[in-house]
Amino acid sequence: GQNIDQPTEMTATEGAIVQINCTYQTSGFNGLFWYQQHAGEAPTFLSYNVLDGLEEKGRFSSFLSRSKGYSYLLLKELQMKDSASYLCACQDYKLSFGAGTTVTVRA
Amino acid sequence: NAGVTQTPKFRILKIGQSMTLQCTQDMNHNYMYWYRQDPGMGLKLIYYSVGAGITDKGEVPNGYNVSRSTTEDFPLRLELAAPSQTSVYFCASSLQGASVQGELFFGEGSRLTVL
Repeated sequence: GQNIDQPTEMTATEGAIVQINCTYQTSGFNGLFWYQQHAGEAPTFLSYNVLDGLEEKGRFSSFLSRSKGYSYLLLKELQMKDSASYLCACQDYKLSFGAGTTVTVRA
Repeated sequence: NAGVTQTPKFRILKIGQSMTLQCTQDMNHNYMYWYRQDPGMGLKLIYYSVGAGITDKGEVPNGYNVSRSTTEDFPLRLELAAPSQTSVYFCASSLQGASVQGELFFGEGSRLTVL
């Protein structure tokens, strides 16, 4: 099985940086995903890490440390549209999701 | 392409009723999944399929059944609906599975209330 932990809520100001941490325990590991989910909508894919290190994609970056069972999602130059829930998910033979971190961006 | 299409978007059921949530994808993906999402919770895997004719249980399969007769369709059947099945249901598909980057494409969700 898998145990995935991430903070419940975070608040930040427009233009700022926010880092969402995720820790996981899994019996098998084939990668870590981050998904974004706006209220009332379906999740959409943001990033994927399978090797240690940082993956950068525009304003969003994701980091993975397999030895520590740790990942973070970094959101830079925050915009109001970034207000959403961010789901950390681990993959063994299936994708298992954390409860999500609700990020609120304030003007 | 329409992607992943789920119907209905909303449904209210009485306790003990049965219904089927429909899911179809036009991306020729082998892998399909059903998740449920309760308020403030992550997505929980109900059932998944790695190809036509093959299905397997996820984390929370009790009270549900699935079938996969074609690559495109993966319906979820609720038998004897219970209030605990009130949730938002998401169907998803992916081209590849666990061994490679299996990015999931989600449908818009079906909001089910059992009263």
